[in-house]
Amino acid sequence: GNSVTQMEGPVTLSEEAFLTINCTYTATGYPSLFWYVQYPGEGLQLLLKATKADDKGSNKGFEATYRKETTSFHLEKGSVQVSDSAVYFCALKGSGAGSYQLTFGKGTKLSVIP
Amino acid sequence: DVKVTQSSRYLVKRTGEKVFLECVQDMDHENMFWYRQDPGLGLRLIYFSYDVKMKEKGDIPEGYSVSREKKERFSLILESASTNQTSMYLCASRWDAAYNTEAFFGQGTRLTVV
Repeated sequence: GNSVTQMEGPVTLSEEAFLTINCTYTATGYPSLFWYVQYPGEGLQLLLKATKADDKGSNKGFEATYRKETTSFHLEKGSVQVSDSAVYFCALKGSGAGSYQLTFGKGTKLSVIP
Repeated sequence: DVKVTQSSRYLVKRTGEKVFLECVQDMDHENMFWYRQDPGLGLRLIYFSYDVKMKEKGDIPEGYSVSREKKERFSLILESASTNQTSMYLCASRWDAAYNTEAFFGQGTRLTVV
């Protein structure tokens, strides 16, 4: 079956530091890949996505590139802010017929300190 | 804006009670999902529905059932609540799986079973 593995947290960074959260996946075919973010007390919201190999998703200064050769979709941001403190989830959706569900990683909690 | 509304933010129920968690979406989405979120385990899919009256088991359906009588509403039912069902429950909806459209999440219901 499909699976997503992301780096364990929590991650604590100083403001303006560089962020990388690693995500690798196992899936057959050509899955779509997503990063979701969950701010304290809220539900999840889509941060960015990529639907085919070599696509780069980007939003709010975050980027991730779909690397089929390494089955990875690492999240990066050049300069984090305190407002980026949240839990980040990597997810995939399979490409086969009837593939409805999203499979999530366990989440990585990011804390950014001033 | 798409809105996914869960009926309660916080619930406290007694062991053995029948519990209903309600979710309503306002964008005519085909697919709806129930997840539970637990620390260290991420999001796990309980059930999903790809159309009215249609449902499929997810990864952890035991102890739960669902109902989708109308397109906009997807209910999660705990037939006899147990303490190991204490968790955060998240509802999500999506227009159509085939187009890899974004899944929208509600704010979650934190259920405590005592």
